Amino acid sequence: EADIYQTPRYLVIGTGKKITLECSQTMGHDKMYWYQQDPGMELHLIHYSYGVNSTEKGDLSSESTVSRIRTEHFPLTLESARPSHTSQYLCASRESGGRNEQYFGPGTRLTVT
Amino acid sequence: SQKIEQNSEALNIQEGKTATLTCNYTNYSPAYLQWYRQDPGRGPVFLLLIRENEKEKRKERLKVTFDTTLKQSLFHITASQPADSATYLCALGGPSGNTPLVFGKGTRLSVIA
Repeated sequence: EADIYQTPRYLVIGTGKKITLECSQTMGHDKMYWYQQDPGMELHLIHYSYGVNSTEKGDLSSESTVSRIRTEHFPLTLESARPSHTSQYLCASRESGGRNEQYFGPGTRLTVT
Repeated sequence: SQKIEQNSEALNIQEGKTATLTCNYTNYSPAYLQWYRQDPGRGPVFLLLIRENEKEKRKERLKVTFDTTLKQSLFHITASQPADSATYLCALGGPSGNTPLVFGKGTRLSVIA
């Protein structure tokens, strides 16, 4: 069982609200990732981090931002939620060294009305 | 740009048969390849890793092959069971440890009793 947690698991929120999706891992992994995935569709990388104070944008253009102030914590923030942000958001982490497996959290299913 | 193709979106197979899933890639020279399983509404779970200098890897009923000349990996599940029904994703890892994994779209496997 992977020690990576996401909260909330489900969120329904109105348009224009600011939201933060939380992701924490207790494995001491340097690398962390955020993916967006619609039901039955592929994973899209939206942000990643190599370590504390490091953040990078992924392949999918996103209106979200991330921060990495502590190794174990990698929150994702939407300043103004829109219906197009409705999706599942998956957080993942892995050790440095490159070839190690990636551990995924359970996901947050976001619905913006 | 790099591209990964997994043979089909869906594969139906009878219980007890061997399921074979294909992952082809172009415009990429991966140092290793990973396979993940994803159940509906959950994050992917790591199954197997195979490196560029390895031809085959096995784990219980799972077998992965990697042909860097053909730019292809095959993923086999022998003696398939209904519990093997899930979406299977392949992911490519670059030579740099900091390069994020590149995921395929996945193949949805259904094992029919």
